[in-house]
Amino acid sequence: DQQVKQNSPSLSVQEGRISILNCDYTNSMFDYFLWYKKYPAEGPTFLISISSIKDKNEDGRFTVFLNKSAKHLSLHIVPSQPGDSAVYFCAAIGGNTPLVFGKGTRLSVIA
Amino acid sequence: KAGVTQTPRYLIKTRGQQVTLSCSPISGHRSVSWYQQTPGQGLQFLFEYFSETQRNKGNFPGRFSGRQFSNSRSEMNVSTLELGDSALYLCASSLRGADGEKLFFGSGTQLSVL
Repeated sequence: DQQVKQNSPSLSVQEGRISILNCDYTNSMFDYFLWYKKYPAEGPTFLISISSIKDKNEDGRFTVFLNKSAKHLSLHIVPSQPGDSAVYFCAAIGGNTPLVFGKGTRLSVIA
Repeated sequence: KAGVTQTPRYLIKTRGQQVTLSCSPISGHRSVSWYQQTPGQGLQFLFEYFSETQRNKGNFPGRFSGRQFSNSRSEMNVSTLELGDSALYLCASSLRGADGEKLFFGSGTQLSVL
């Protein structure tokens, strides 16, 4: 059973517009959520995180929103840049379990 | 500060062989986790080691094993390789553990089983 779901395998956005990547989770024990970004031939790198006691965390062009009642989080990138083109993984932690990742969403930012 | 180092970067093996992958964590990090990445399944947790002890284990068969040394370096071993083991194997380190903070990943070892 997949505990962290990223239902969109890919997303294309024009440069300068907003990119919205979505993630759903099923485990109510999750209390900390992270987004990682991965370029080809490199390991994932940490992007931004949010604790379950918050509903929003912002870092520059990146904002993560958490809706606990819907068990849903989203990553907003604005404005999107060509260098943002990568695979984005949503991940969650809780209840002393290791980090659980979604399958990833491939973002393509078109110039 | 050096990042997480994984060796080798690429590996080609045949079915039935065994393979050992190596990971050197960031200096001072005591936790090392291993993940398997495949195109259809994303990142799947294999196991985590902390201070030479396996602390968590994912849902993989016993052919997948690992260990951690006193200097925090870690190895993972896959015996009796199958075609489906072809994947990118990622190692990640953290200070206290994979259950409460962000991980720092290496570039991975791309394993191809023919």
